[in-house]
Amino acid sequence: DAGVTQSPTHLIKTRGQQVTLRCSPKSGHDTVSWYQQALGQGPQFIFQYYEEEERQRGNFPDRFSGHQFPNYSSELNVNALLLGDSALYLCASSPAARYYEQYFGPGTRLTVT
Amino acid sequence: ELKVEQNPLFLSMQEGKNYTIYCNYSTTSDRLYWYRQDPGKSLESLFVLLSNGAVKQEGRLMASLDTKARLSTLHITAAVHDLSATYFCAVDQNFNKFYFGSGTKLNVKP
Repeated sequence: DAGVTQSPTHLIKTRGQQVTLRCSPKSGHDTVSWYQQALGQGPQFIFQYYEEEERQRGNFPDRFSGHQFPNYSSELNVNALLLGDSALYLCASSPAARYYEQYFGPGTRLTVT
Repeated sequence: ELKVEQNPLFLSMQEGKNYTIYCNYSTTSDRLYWYRQDPGKSLESLFVLLSNGAVKQEGRLMASLDTKARLSTLHITAAVHDLSATYFCAVDQNFNKFYFGSGTKLNVKP
């Protein structure tokens, strides 16, 4: 079992550009959550996907959007990048029936210049 | 919005000593989680506490939950250098939305 995987590992973008991050959940998991972790801070919940729909959302602007595919993998899209979007983006997966069994992926480090 | 506060934020301790990290949260929840994060790495789940009075132990770490006081503690017994990391507590709302504290950066000195 590969666990939760994310790609790419690192990414450098310029202000105003758009970025897409990808996540494959752990085998048997159907729920995917995305978090933003700024340097020196705790992760902040962005949103969660289940059955290809956004189920919960944190306090993030509409520039942050996502998608879940039928195989439960997920994408996080960020438009009109700002310097403040530089962070580690973490994907976590869990089985819907046992939401508390949340496993985190290795993260994507996004740098906006 | 649910707030989660940890203290201390930084903890430097000698090997062999005991210490406790505290996690307070602002609204009612019966579920609390502890994670460990090594520098440049992702989050590793340590404990899942799902009811009032829950106590779990793994090696030199023990976590407890008091939902009435909205308080969880992570107790470190006879610390060793390998425990150096950042520890986060988190509380979930509506069974899905996790709120994390700012983390406690632990440095165990030989």
